[in-house]
Amino acid sequence: QSALIQPPSASGSPGQSVTISCTGTSSDVGEYKYVSWYQQHPGKAPKLMIYEVTKRPSGVPDRFSGSKSGNTASLTVSGLQAEDEADYYCSSYAGSNKVFGGGTKLTVL
Amino acid sequence: QVQLQESGPGLVKPSETLSLTCTVSGGSVSSGSYQWSWIRQPPGKGLEWIGYMYYSGTTNYNPSLKSRVTVSIDTSKNQFSLKLSSVTAADTAVYYCATERSVSWSVFDYWGQGTLVTVSS
Repeated sequence: QSALIQPPSASGSPGQSVTISCTGTSSDVGEYKYVSWYQQHPGKAPKLMIYEVTKRPSGVPDRFSGSKSGNTASLTVSGLQAEDEADYYCSSYAGSNKVFGGGTKLTVL
Repeated sequence: QVQLQESGPGLVKPSETLSLTCTVSGGSVSSGSYQWSWIRQPPGKGLEWIGYMYYSGTTNYNPSLKSRVTVSIDTSKNQFSLKLSSVTAADTAVYYCATERSVSWSVFDYWGQGTLVTVSS
């Protein structure tokens, strides 16, 4: 069982918005601002999409945004595009440890 | 732009030690910018952080693996390595080397392409 809880799947039509949740505890997500999100296409390495809850690395479209409330972090993908179909993983600092979620498969209908 | 490339045996026998190396280009393992990290992903499953070494020699490991893991740096070859002892089938996974920003946490900027290691007799 993964340390952070994500829904196994999410879906949306092109142009729509989808939000993926990531639930942790007061010892990880709730305690620290260090929540990241990664996109992984089949057979590829993960790619950093969001870090420190809300920040986007250079080159990541502003359609991707992050937020946090209490022990739950969220990734929102707006204006869904076909290339957004992938697995998404959240990650949090947990006081010298790093924990990941189990992943969410995002399907673009 | 840092580039990472994993190498090592794709098949390891149970109870033996898994050894992988990550070759770094476009950056230096002697740089204080990153913590040189290992992450794994069992087939069809999620990601698991294994641990890192910083250029100063500081290490930090996942508590669930700590007794079996060693991460080391070879500055002469600009490489860092992973050793995982007493492996079982549960250690079968794609192993990634990655850089974690030293000024933040859980920010893995650069990843290798991953290498599948199967534990089987």
